Amino acid sequence: EAQVTQNPRYLITVTGKKLTVTCSQNMNHEYMSWYRQDPGLGLRQIYYSMNVEVTDKGDVPEGYKVSRKEKRNFPLILESPSPNQTSLYFCASRFADTQYFGPGTRLTVL
Amino acid sequence: SQQGEEDPQALSIQEGENATMNCSYKTSINNLQWYRQNSGRGLVHLILIRSNEREKHSGRLRVTLDTSKKSSSLLITASRAADTASYFCATDANTGGFKTIFGAGTRLFVKA
Repeated sequence: EAQVTQNPRYLITVTGKKLTVTCSQNMNHEYMSWYRQDPGLGLRQIYYSMNVEVTDKGDVPEGYKVSRKEKRNFPLILESPSPNQTSLYFCASRFADTQYFGPGTRLTVL
Repeated sequence: SQQGEEDPQALSIQEGENATMNCSYKTSINNLQWYRQNSGRGLVHLILIRSNEREKHSGRLRVTLDTSKKSSSLLITASRAADTASYFCATDANTGGFKTIFGAGTRLFVKA
């Protein structure tokens, strides 16, 4: 089944403790992206990647890192999480002009 | 910055009625997409309209695009309770990359 998977789905952590949210797609898509969703603000793009080793900032990249060493994986790294990064995170891959979203990761930073 | 802005923020209708949602954007675009999100879950692509198109249909969905007004509308005809969800428009800025901007969404509630 064609899909985008994210792990973990839920995470509660404390300020400053580095974490990684994994994202994997099995559709061989070149383009992948990370978004965060906050109430009343819709989805905001954090980073995107147009291919392996090619990444670029979205609208809200501060406090996040990404890497794209393989086409299928696009992990999101929070090196020192803060409470304002509490949010619902979505990974997406893209083919042509259509994006395919993962199920989301709900992150709480205490 | 938010490019796509949906209107209304929330909409409540009876089953069988039509639902219309509007989206405005600020910059030149290549295309505009509409997505649906069931409560807290991943978004699902509904329909895409390109900048050189004015209207597009897909089943009970009808999308229009007015590039002169920088606006789009999504019409769901003969709505069903299962259409209850949040709907988002998204635009790809015409900058040569794939920077996508989503609006804040319209929450649609269809009463059975």
